[in-house]
Amino acid sequence: AQSVTQPDIHITVSEGASLELRCNYSYGATPYLFWYVQSPGQGLQLLLKYFSGDTLVQGIKGFEAEFKRSQSSFNLRKPSVHWSDAAEYFCAVGARNTGNQFYFGTGTSLTVIP
Amino acid sequence: SQTIHQWPATLVQPVGSPLSLECTVEGTSNPNLYWYRQAAGRGLQLLFYSVGIGQISSEVPQNLSASRPQDRQFILSSKKLLLSDSGFYLCAWALLAGVINEQFFGPGTRLTVL
Repeated sequence: AQSVTQPDIHITVSEGASLELRCNYSYGATPYLFWYVQSPGQGLQLLLKYFSGDTLVQGIKGFEAEFKRSQSSFNLRKPSVHWSDAAEYFCAVGARNTGNQFYFGTGTSLTVIP
Repeated sequence: SQTIHQWPATLVQPVGSPLSLECTVEGTSNPNLYWYRQAAGRGLQLLFYSVGIGQISSEVPQNLSASRPQDRQFILSSKKLLLSDSGFYLCAWALLAGVINEQFFGPGTRLTVL
């Protein structure tokens, strides 16, 4: 069965520090992977996606993620965090089934301290 | 460009009252449509998805229902709300294609059942 695990419920980093958010997936075939960001009371915005090819993908707002098949991971990184990055981050895997359903992790809440 | 609308933005309803949330998409045709619920401190739970007019698939048994009366309109309904129906409801769309495409989310509806 498809599933996504985000082990860190909440992370606090200082502004300017580096960031890594973890995501592990379970999927029987080559996964389609996504990272979304959600500001309080808002919808989700796509940060980046991985379908195939280069395992290091670049996204918006300076984020990147690396697909590691051997570890079933798709961790999100940013070299220098800005206060505006404080938000909820969701990892998702897309399944090749009717409706192309997404399976989301439970999210990681990021707090940025000055 | 494509846009997705949800209304109302917020809603406070008494237990046992009916519910109707509406989602419309502009700028695309024949999209896949999705309803999610996000409870406080939890991830996204897929409630319904639709691959075409009148075609609804339910993921979670509950007192909610969905309908797709037009290609780009998706409605979430209930005849009698429960306290447990409180949450943040998100509508999303994705291109209907052979590959898994990213989902685009609406701004959400905050529902409080009292």
